[in-house]
Amino acid sequence: AIQLTQSPSSLSASVGDRVTITCRASQGISSDLAWYQQKVGRAPKLLIFDASSLENGVPSRFSGSGSGTDFTLTISSLQPDDFATYYCQQFKSYPLTFGGGTKVDIK
Amino acid sequence: QVQLQETGPGLVKPSETLSLTCTLSGGSISGYYWSWLRQPPGKGLEWIGYISFSGSTDYNPSLKSRVSFSVDTSKNQFSLKLSSVTAADTAVYYCANQGGGSFDLWGRGTLVTVSS
Repeated sequence: AIQLTQSPSSLSASVGDRVTITCRASQGISSDLAWYQQKVGRAPKLLIFDASSLENGVPSRFSGSGSGTDFTLTISSLQPDDFATYYCQQFKSYPLTFGGGTKVDIK
Repeated sequence: QVQLQETGPGLVKPSETLSLTCTLSGGSISGYYWSWLRQPPGKGLEWIGYISFSGSTDYNPSLKSRVSFSVDTSKNQFSLKLSSVTAADTAVYYCANQGGGSFDLWGRGTLVTVSS
């Protein structure tokens, strides 16, 4: 199975900060990567698919980049609603796998 | 509004079979792939497997020996059975639409606790 390693596992940031989360795959996955946001007690929400495509309705402050083994989720200006845990997920091959998550909390 | 809803017992005894059903409202189950995922309390996400509208399946090898899916297109439902459960199977179980490999529609999730 393809392993996804996210870093950092947690970070503290302030409203307005630029936040970057990385996801590294154990082997090349082209652009077959998605990013999700999960708030406590809620189901994950799709933010980005195909590594860089923004899901309908997701604010443009979220962006994704990368291909192959190294990927990035960027929040250009952190908003109060963005404090949550973020997961990457690969769909290059089965079994589908997720990164361990990055918790973003208030500084 | 298209929605998914998981239903089933919230408590299952060790060694018994966990059974959940996911119902789609506001849309049709036909033509798509439907997945089950789970998340142990305080931990990350695990994909359990998918079933297509036609009944084809693929399971995570980590659970393959204990899991089975079924689909009922007439009721817009698909179901999960996980046998021989232990405390390690305690988790929030989600159903989701697997569109193009990512999951763009999720149920709210249901907590299943394995305990005697």
